[in-house]
Amino acid sequence: QVQLQESGPRLVKPSQTLSLTCTVSGGSIASGSYYWSWIRQPAGKGLEWIGRIYTSGTTDYNPSLKSRVTISVDTSKNQFSLKLSSVTAADTAVYYCSRFSGAVTVPFYFDYWGQGTLVTVSS
Amino acid sequence: DIQMTQSPSSLSASVGDRVTITCRASQSISTYLNWYQQKPGKAPQLLIYAASSLHSGVPSRFSGSGSGTDFTLTISCLQPEDFATYYCQQSYTDTGFGQGTRLEIK
Repeated sequence: QVQLQESGPRLVKPSQTLSLTCTVSGGSIASGSYYWSWIRQPAGKGLEWIGRIYTSGTTDYNPSLKSRVTISVDTSKNQFSLKLSSVTAADTAVYYCSRFSGAVTVPFYFDYWGQGTLVTVSS
Repeated sequence: DIQMTQSPSSLSASVGDRVTITCRASQSISTYLNWYQQKPGKAPQLLIYAASSLHSGVPSRFSGSGSGTDFTLTISCLQPEDFATYYCQQSYTDTGFGQGTRLEIK
């Protein structure tokens, strides 16, 4: 059973960089045709896709966040990470990591999720 | 960007009711459409993938249909544990979610 767990600072100051790590257990992050993704959800609002990384290191980002986002992977630690720069209060949200699974003939979907971690941007 | 619009935004229903939630894409996405259920304080859970395929372990009272731009999620006989928020998600180009439909007890 694949499990994902987010970790990182829960409080970030405005203009600084938010950094989170997702640790994957129950399977190798380097095996299979998966994208490893970040999604966030402000309190009381909907889900916003942030971006994803393939096991090869290829990344895709939400155009609305692309200038501030970097996602990386460390296969030796079975982890992938998110960095979001120049944060403001609008970046306060629950951040989820998730596995994006699919195949050539099957549309990709998010099948495993972390429990989510609330990150607050405040001075 | 492909915009996903769900309707209604909220819905009140009773245990045993049949409910339908609609998701519309701003352009054709074939069947690259998935549905999720989210309960308060929890991560979303996959219900339906590829518009109409039931994810493993999901009760058969959940069903999905549609292709192109118009999709529906139907719950045939509401159970108490079904009161939650539902999201559609497209994976045709990058990915994105609808704004959600909150299903409340009448």
